[in-house]
Amino acid sequence: DAGVTQSPTHLIKTRGQQVTLRCSPISGHKSVSWYQQVLGQGPQFIFQYYEKEERGRGNFPDRFSARQFPNYSSELNVNALLLGDSALYLCASSLRLAGLVGPSYEQYFGPGTRLTVT
Amino acid sequence: AQSVTQLDSHVSVSEGTPVLLRCNYSSSYSPSLFWYVQHPNKGLQLLLKYTSAATLVKGINGFEAEFKKSETSFHLTKPSAHMSDAAEYFCVVSDGNNRLAFGKGNQVVVIP
Repeated sequence: DAGVTQSPTHLIKTRGQQVTLRCSPISGHKSVSWYQQVLGQGPQFIFQYYEKEERGRGNFPDRFSARQFPNYSSELNVNALLLGDSALYLCASSLRLAGLVGPSYEQYFGPGTRLTVT
Repeated sequence: AQSVTQLDSHVSVSEGTPVLLRCNYSSSYSPSLFWYVQHPNKGLQLLLKYTSAATLVKGINGFEAEFKKSETSFHLTKPSAHMSDAAEYFCVVSDGNNRLAFGKGNQVVVIP
């Protein structure tokens, strides 16, 4: 079975530009989450989508936005790029969004998109 | 807010000796806890998870972790390190809505 796929693999942009990153979840998974991993740090949660609705947002500026499509794939958009946005952007999918009570379904991560802003 | 603390950002172990990576968590309710491994230029891979069943959790590649509520800890161990264990390891807590909060990671170096 195909895992989580992300495109592109690498990307170089200039400050002030806009970028769109894409993610395809594992077949049957309805939840997609996005994480930013700056070099030398652990991934930081950006967004979570479930059934095409935003279900969570991390502490990121409004320059970051995302959406989920009817086929459960997702896009992450970043506007007005800053040097500090250079990072590995990870997408993860899971079967469903667990509630506050009950087991948490593990997330499966894609290989990431390496964004470099110059 | 959920959080985890991983001390010792860099850990060196000799091949064949035990591995111990420490993780302490902060959670307002019963947490789900995970350990992920990230090899260079590869994606994150789940090693093991704790979701309120057995407190001693066994994972892949000989790793295991023990959940200790009284100590708010979830330390990762392996009896004998292998060269292939060289990677970065992340302790992770879930907030119950499948949002993961990662620690800063432990970079493990295995010395032949």
